[in-house]
Amino acid sequence: KAGVTQTPRYLIKTRGQQVTLSCSPISGHRSVSWYQQTPGQGLQFLFEYFSETQRNKGNFPGRFSGRQFSNSRSEMNVSTLELGDSALYLCASSFGTYTDTQYFGPGTRLTVL
Amino acid sequence: AQTVTQSQPEMSVQEAETVTLSCTYDTSESDYYLFWYKQPPSRQMILVIRQEAYKQQNATENRFSVNFQKAAKSFSLKISDSQLGDAAMYFCAYRSAFGQGAQKLVFGQGTRLTINP
Repeated sequence: KAGVTQTPRYLIKTRGQQVTLSCSPISGHRSVSWYQQTPGQGLQFLFEYFSETQRNKGNFPGRFSGRQFSNSRSEMNVSTLELGDSALYLCASSFGTYTDTQYFGPGTRLTVL
Repeated sequence: AQTVTQSQPEMSVQEAETVTLSCTYDTSESDYYLFWYKQPPSRQMILVIRQEAYKQQNATENRFSVNFQKAAKSFSLKISDSQLGDAAMYFCAYRSAFGQGAQKLVFGQGTRLTINP
């Protein structure tokens, strides 16, 4: 079974631009969660989608948004990029029940210049 | 809010020896899940082991085992017969068993493990 895939793997943007990252979950998984990883703040939860609905959101500004499609693929968007948005963005998928485990993709490395 | 603390930023061990990584957490919940994830230089986060809080028996996966002390809120990872491929950043993570918290992992700051040949 194919794992979680994320595209693109690397991105370079400039301040003020916007960016869209994509995540395709493991087949059969209906939940996708997004995390931001930085050296200073570590791993922080952004949001989680299940069946096209956002179920939970972390403590990030409104510039960070996401959505999920009917095939469970998810996108996250960051508008008006800031230097501090430079990070590794990880997505994880699961079946979405309270008992199952999240499996991570390889991440998208975003650099904001 | 739940917190996870890994007090050892870095550790090193000789190949073939045993090493234990520490993790403590803070929660008022009685039911939850704990995880150890490994992140090698490739940056892919890989699940190492998972523990359900309602289970008293410590989880084991081949050379990896945990010492789960619920009352002490401690969750350490023991790696036996360390191999060069075990070198990575190790993250301890907490997840609630119910409610909105069940949808997110709370991570510790990580422990960088080096394996010396």
